[in-house]
Amino acid sequence: SQQGEEDPQALSIQEGENATMNCSYKTSINNLQWYRQNSGRGLVHLILIRSNEREKHSGRLRVTLDTSKKSSSLLITASRAADTASYFCATASPTDSWGKLQFGAGTQVVVTP
Amino acid sequence: EAGVAQSPRYKIIEKRQSVAFWCNPISGHATLYWYQQILGQGPKLLIQFQNNGVVDDSQLPKDRFSAERLKGVDSTLKIQPAKLEDSAVYLCASTLLVGSGILAKNIQYFGAGTRLSVL
Repeated sequence: SQQGEEDPQALSIQEGENATMNCSYKTSINNLQWYRQNSGRGLVHLILIRSNEREKHSGRLRVTLDTSKKSSSLLITASRAADTASYFCATASPTDSWGKLQFGAGTQVVVTP
Repeated sequence: EAGVAQSPRYKIIEKRQSVAFWCNPISGHATLYWYQQILGQGPKLLIQFQNNGVVDDSQLPKDRFSAERLKGVDSTLKIQPAKLEDSAVYLCASTLLVGSGILAKNIQYFGAGTRLSVL
């Protein structure tokens, strides 16, 4: 079973708009990561947020983490057509020492020019 | 820095045939993962290696899937015999684990994957 559940499953926006997607998880974590996957490609790491952090920024990306609600959100500001991709959250468990991640099912984002 | 290399990119086989995938991780990355990604889903871990030892293969269907990482560098994943439900993208990833616990940095670097179609 997958640890993370992304919401929404799909999102369609226009260039310049903001895109927000959410991830909920079930068990405690050491960190939560977001990855992007373009069609026909592998996943690319976007950002890592540790369990003792509440917010992180990287360029046009903003990630929040609420461990009390076991949820995270990814905000992409001023979206571009090149942001069209699937976005996955992945969690690292405190019970695993080998860097294993559990991925959610992803949010498919389409940005139209 | 070269990324994770995978081959082939595409493979079409008939059910009951065998198939093998190859992965070369980023140089120096001791940890290597094989994932199965079915269309519309997230990656599902099949097996994880630390150097040439298996750390986790709990979700590997061992009656038909096998994997090895001789010499702790490149790795092969084999399916024999293939079933229709094995149609998926097989992703290889590697990481250089740094730190531990909450300070662990376990960013994974993925190859482009092999798209397998079983007819």
